[in-house]
Amino acid sequence: SQTIHQWPATLVQPVGSPLSLECTVEGTSNPNLYWYRQAAGRGLQLLFYSVGIGQISSEVPQNLSASRPQDRQFILSSKKLLLSDSGFYLCALGASDNSPLHFGNGTRLTVT
Amino acid sequence: QKEVEQNSGPLSVPEGAIASLNCTYSDRGSQSFFWYRQYSGKSPELIMSIYSNGDKEDGRFTAQLNKASQYVSLLIRDSQPSDSATYLCAVLDTGRRALTFGSGTRLQVQP
Repeated sequence: SQTIHQWPATLVQPVGSPLSLECTVEGTSNPNLYWYRQAAGRGLQLLFYSVGIGQISSEVPQNLSASRPQDRQFILSSKKLLLSDSGFYLCALGASDNSPLHFGNGTRLTVT
Repeated sequence: QKEVEQNSGPLSVPEGAIASLNCTYSDRGSQSFFWYRQYSGKSPELIMSIYSNGDKEDGRFTAQLNKASQYVSLLIRDSQPSDSATYLCAVLDTGRRALTFGSGTRLQVQP
């Protein structure tokens, strides 16, 4: 079965600090991978998606970036965090283009 | 901008009643639709997928799709307090190979 690992579960970072969130998946090969963000009390906003190694599509460029160095690894980064980057960051896996997404447990980021 | 609209609620129903959750979408070409449940502080979990017009039943859950009206609904029969959560409607955007989510409807089941 497919498993999505996300860490850390919670993170408190000061404004201007860097960020690196990692997502790894098991039980599948060549998956579509996604980063979503959910601000407090809001819906899910698509940030990035990837259909393969090194292939990244950006929805919200701003000060965030994503990389996919390996088939089952997806990384979300920032060089300098903003207060508005606070939220619940979710990595998701899609087995194929038409399949539903399955989410990891998420990382709750608070920028202070 | 493709949109998915849901009433934010809260929708309050007594235990044992039927809860009806509704969703409309803007992209007439959409073919795949999903309902997720999200408990407070947790990640969304998939509860139903529907791809064809009509009803699809899974236990106490029934998803209904009407592509002509661009409308998707979720019925929860015999609602339980454990069903209290936010329900997210999602539509597959084939152009982006990603799901577009509504903002969710908060359901409260009163014991």
